[in-house]
Amino acid sequence: RKEVEQDPGPFNVPEGATVAFNCTYSNSASQSFFWYRQDCRKEPKLLMSVYSSGNEDGRFTAQLNRASQYISLLIRDSKLSDSATYLCAVKVFGNEKLTFGTGTRLTIIP
Amino acid sequence: ETGVTQTPRHLVMGMTNKKSLKCEQHLGHNAMYWYKQSAKKPLELMFVYNFKEQTENNSVPSRFSPECPNSSHLFLHLHTLQPEDSALYLCASSHQIGASYNEQFFGPGTRLTVL
Repeated sequence: RKEVEQDPGPFNVPEGATVAFNCTYSNSASQSFFWYRQDCRKEPKLLMSVYSSGNEDGRFTAQLNRASQYISLLIRDSKLSDSATYLCAVKVFGNEKLTFGTGTRLTIIP
Repeated sequence: ETGVTQTPRHLVMGMTNKKSLKCEQHLGHNAMYWYKQSAKKPLELMFVYNFKEQTENNSVPSRFSPECPNSSHLFLHLHTLQPEDSALYLCASSHQIGASYNEQFFGPGTRLTVL
């Protein structure tokens, strides 16, 4: 089983819709969780960290479910500019290594 | 954005060449990282430096040789690479090792092609 798994998509979603992705992780010692977005041929950019209580930043909401070992990202009122690949990353306690998923490709359709 | 810069942005080299990638961070961070991103694969951590000291080598072949002269600069020296080493090489930095939420910020990457 992969350490971090994501549905590669693509997700083709009409503008204004709500879309959600999940990311599962296999190591129960995982402590820190992140969502990055990566545009084509660009570097990953930190979108948000994911805290135990869940957190929201504008149209973006991140949740952590430790029991089922997954994190989620919800995007409301999607914009054309949200089109990108969304990467989840997981860090295990005591280890500086960030383990990334392969990413979920999202395209927002006008 | 100029928080983390990398040069060159593109590099084409032969298998017998020697080249170096450079990374500089302007964020006042203490930790720096090298990652490799190949097509259809997740980012792979290569090396971690904390306060100039290497703290992790993720089983990287010796044809990749990192150097960290200070907390702001990181190099990756390349020699006798193979075509399968062609990838996007990304540098990242973070505030400090050991914090539970030690967010990493990436540079724009060097797209390397080995002929």
